Amino acid sequence: QQPVQSPQAVILREGEDAVINCSSSKALYSVHWYRQKHGEAPVFLMILLKGGEQKGHEKISASFNEKKQQSSLYLTASQLSYSGTYFCGTEGGAQKLVFGQGTRLTINP
Amino acid sequence: KAGVTQTPRYLIKTRGQQVTLSCSPISGHRSVSWYQQTPGQGLQFLFEYFSETQRNKGNFPGRFSGRQFSNSRSEMNVSTLELGDSALYLCASSFLAGGPDTQYFGPGTRLTVL
Repeated sequence: QQPVQSPQAVILREGEDAVINCSSSKALYSVHWYRQKHGEAPVFLMILLKGGEQKGHEKISASFNEKKQQSSLYLTASQLSYSGTYFCGTEGGAQKLVFGQGTRLTINP
Repeated sequence: KAGVTQTPRYLIKTRGQQVTLSCSPISGHRSVSWYQQTPGQGLQFLFEYFSETQRNKGNFPGRFSGRQFSNSRSEMNVSTLELGDSALYLCASSFLAGGPDTQYFGPGTRLTVL
């Protein structure tokens, strides 16, 4: 079952904050976040593990609510370089990762 | 450390042909996963190989197949190409076979089927 991301797209000015949400109808053991810039490969940002452990990026934080089967990615004081499409991925049983449909983030000067 | 490499980067084929894509994982990584990315369907899992064995497979027809060699390099084959197979094919490598292990993506192979 594909996780659902919201919003689908967001436009910000440089310096503003953004929150991207990822919800699953299945129990989550870990949530993976990636960012993909146009024409490039997805780049790993962060893994959130059941139990609260986080591994990843210095300037981007995230939360993982196991009970609600949700994760949120927080981008604070956004920079132009944060533009791209953000994907969350969840472990999918028989699949390595099941990705959400993506959230397109545009940062304007 | 060198990243994940994929060859070729671009391919143009016609319907009915077959194609083979190649992926070399990061040194030391034994898991290679393949994904198809299209604007309409997003990133969809094709299959994962670990130590030359297919561990998992996504919901794709049998025309899509793969294999992994003893050096962990992997190939993906698509036979009898259809227009709908036009996509960016990404491979990703990781150290572990399963669990919450970071996957590192290659630049992808852009396949166009005419």
